[in-house]
Amino acid sequence: SAVISQKPSRDICQRGTSLTIQCQVDSQVTMMFWYRQQPGQSLTLIATANQGSEATYESGFVIDKFPISRPNLTFSTLTVSNMSPEDSSIYLCSVVWFSMFYNEQFFGPGTRLTVL
Amino acid sequence: DQQVKQNSPSLSVQEGRISILNCDYTNSMFDYFLWYKKYPAEGPTFLISISSIKDKNEDGRFTVFLNKSAKHLSLHIVPSQPGDSAVYFCAARNYGGSQGNLIFGKGTKLSVKP
Repeated sequence: SAVISQKPSRDICQRGTSLTIQCQVDSQVTMMFWYRQQPGQSLTLIATANQGSEATYESGFVIDKFPISRPNLTFSTLTVSNMSPEDSSIYLCSVVWFSMFYNEQFFGPGTRLTVL
Repeated sequence: DQQVKQNSPSLSVQEGRISILNCDYTNSMFDYFLWYKKYPAEGPTFLISISSIKDKNEDGRFTVFLNKSAKHLSLHIVPSQPGDSAVYFCAARNYGGSQGNLIFGKGTKLSVKP
């Protein structure tokens, strides 16, 4: 299995500023993902971050707004840029753990972001 | 347009009784379905899954049923325990889709009362 930690666990930010969220995994993983859960909504995939290549963004999400870094197989960052109140969400890091018998997706504890 | 729907935002059940959480989907290309459980201040944790070629999967107290013709799946917890109190998310994956591209429902908050 994989244990995922995220920093910060929560933050309150001003409109127009940027916040970088860190994701650390206790094992080397190939595939890492960033999700967003807006209030009262389901989890939505923002992008897939693979080490050694550019992140792949889902429809509705762009690199200028959500730049992602993946410097190695255990770490990734997501930046929420030029924030507005609509960016208030829980942001979750996720990895897929491949084993001989199953592929399981693990989630970090999330970062609760409030934009004023 | 929501492809995975959990129409009950909350459910309250007495300890020892059965909990039934429901999930409906619209995309017939989904080939794999999962249930995740989420406690406050924690990330979702995988609970149980089912392939679209099956209609039932059981793991201890947890059973997932899939009715493809109705595009409906349900999670049964028997017997329910107070520690089962959490938010349960239904998720689905597109056939041939990437591992991480799960489509989630909005979740159902289960409360199991002693």
